[in-house]
Amino acid sequence: EIVLTQSPDFQSVTPKEKVTITCRASQSIGTTLHWYQLKADQSPKVLIKDASQPFSGVPPRFSGSGSGTDFTLTINGLEAEDVATYYCHQSSSLPYTFGQGTKLEIK
Amino acid sequence: QVQLQESGPGVVKPSETLSLTCSVSGGSINGFYWSWIRRPPGKGLEWIGLISYNGNTNYNPSLKSRLTISVDTSENHFSLKLDSVTAADTAVYFCARRGFYYDSSGYYLLDYWGRGTPVTVSS
Repeated sequence: EIVLTQSPDFQSVTPKEKVTITCRASQSIGTTLHWYQLKADQSPKVLIKDASQPFSGVPPRFSGSGSGTDFTLTINGLEAEDVATYYCHQSSSLPYTFGQGTKLEIK
Repeated sequence: QVQLQESGPGVVKPSETLSLTCSVSGGSINGFYWSWIRRPPGKGLEWIGLISYNGNTNYNPSLKSRLTISVDTSENHFSLKLDSVTAADTAVYFCARRGFYYDSSGYYLLDYWGRGTPVTVSS
């Protein structure tokens, strides 16, 4: 199976800060890498699909980049409502897999 | 808009069978694949398995020997059964739809999710 490794596991952030989360795949997956936001008691939400395509309704401060094995999620100008856990996910091959998650907290 | 709602017992005894159902509203279960995912406490998301509207399945190898996923198109829902549960199966269980998208190329995406239902394995 394809292993996804996210960095960092945890980050303490301030509002308006630029945040960068990385995801590395154990083998090349093209651009079939997606980013999700998970908050307690809510449905996980797609932020970025196919490495760099924003999902419908996602604020423009969220962006993604990368291909092959290295991917990045960027939040330009963090807002308090962005405190959540973020996951990368590959649907290139079965079994589907997720990164271990990156938890953002406000300083 | 498609909405998904998980339902289940909340607490299951060790060695028993966990049964969950995902009800789909706002759209038909036909034409899509549907998935189960879980999040154990303090851990990340784990993909459990997939079923098509006509019953084709694909399971995570780590759970395959204990897992059955089924679909009922007349009721517009799909279900999960996990046998011989242990404390390691304690988690929030999510259901999701797998959609097909095309940007630079075609790909699958777990696009709509339920809110999740907590399951605790305890005697």
